[in-house]
Amino acid sequence: KAGVTQTPRYLIKTRGQQVTLSCSPISGHRSVSWYQQTPGQGLQFLFEYFSETQRNKGNFPGRFSGRQFSNSRSEMNVSTLELGDSALYLCASSTGTSGAFYNEQFFGPGTRLTVL
Amino acid sequence: ILNVEQSPQSLHVQEGDSTNFTCSFPSSNFYALHWYRWETAKSPEALFVMTLNGDEKKKGRISATLNTKEGYSYLYIKGSQPEDSATYLCAWSRTGNQFYFGTGTSLTVIP
Repeated sequence: KAGVTQTPRYLIKTRGQQVTLSCSPISGHRSVSWYQQTPGQGLQFLFEYFSETQRNKGNFPGRFSGRQFSNSRSEMNVSTLELGDSALYLCASSTGTSGAFYNEQFFGPGTRLTVL
Repeated sequence: ILNVEQSPQSLHVQEGDSTNFTCSFPSSNFYALHWYRWETAKSPEALFVMTLNGDEKKKGRISATLNTKEGYSYLYIKGSQPEDSATYLCAWSRTGNQFYFGTGTSLTVIP
């Protein structure tokens, strides 16, 4: 079974630009969550998409947005990039079953974004 | 703000030593506690998920315990090997897939 894939793996942008990251979940998984990791910080939850709808949202500014397609692939967009957006962005997929006590998350390898 | 804290931040041990790390989390509205192992340049890999107070899980030389009433979990590694070198993350979750991660414990096992 193929794992979670993320593209691109590395990205360099300049301040003010926008960027789109992509995540393909494990086949059959309908939930995709996005996380940001900056130096010294734990993984910070950005948002979760389930069946093309945003189901949960973390405490990030509106410059961070996402979407999910009918095949469960998800994209994350960051507009008007700032230096502080330099981070590792991870996505995780799960079955996302509503009402489940927990849904195990499977992570991709991440996209390393550098903002100059 | 839901704080998940891990200690120590980093640890260096000799091959063969046993070691343990701590994860503390909010004890109210608890659903599940997850442990992940994260090697450099790889994806975080799930080790354990625990839901019940008093849970103990074991995988080879690695085991974990859970105390939901006081809000902590311990991860133990018996007879550390160089291949155990990684960052160990814990995460507290509630329904809807929203995970709250600690900053991790970086373990280096010296041959």
